[in-house]
Amino acid sequence: GDSVTQMEGPVTLSEEAFLTINCTYTATGYPSLFWYVQYPGEGLQLLLKATKADDKGSNKGFEATYRKETTSFHLEKGSVQVSDSAVYFCAARGSGNTGKLIFGQGTTLQVKP
Amino acid sequence: ETGVTQSPTHLIKTRGQQVTLRCSSQSGHNTVSWYQQALGQGPQFIFQYYREEENGRGNFPPRFSGLQFPNYSSELNVNALELDDSALYLCASSRDFRNSETQYFGPGTRLLVL
Repeated sequence: GDSVTQMEGPVTLSEEAFLTINCTYTATGYPSLFWYVQYPGEGLQLLLKATKADDKGSNKGFEATYRKETTSFHLEKGSVQVSDSAVYFCAARGSGNTGKLIFGQGTTLQVKP
Repeated sequence: ETGVTQSPTHLIKTRGQQVTLRCSSQSGHNTVSWYQQALGQGPQFIFQYYREEENGRGNFPPRFSGLQFPNYSSELNVNALELDDSALYLCASSRDFRNSETQYFGPGTRLLVL
């Protein structure tokens, strides 16, 4: 069945460090891919998305490229800030007609000043 | 433009009780999806409603049921609550259910079953 796998956390970085959070997916066809962010006590906010192979999604300095060869959608940011501390979820659109999202288990990022 | 709203924000119930959670979709959206997020886990798809009809269901028992109203708001009902139903319940709305459409999430309802 469809699945999404993210790197295990927590990830702890110093401010201005480079961030990579790995995400790979297993799905039928070429699903749309998403990164969502969840701040403590809140719901999910869309961070970025890509709807077809080789698309690059970007927002607030974060980027991710849809790589169909490696079925990956790794999240990157060149210089993290303390305010980026949150839980990051990779998601893929599931196969079938519902448009349901399949989420990874989440990666906690902690950025220290 | 009003975003997705959910009520209540928190709820405490006991085993065997029933609960109803509510969601108002974003303006212009006709599709609502419900997810369950257990502590420390990613959200799991419960079901989706499109124009008042159920449009797909995840691996949840029949005691999880829902409704969508003509204004596209939605309810999630859970009967015979179990301890494992304790979770954050998230509602998401979208313009429709196609592959490329983005789902926008509400803040969630945190349910505790004692």
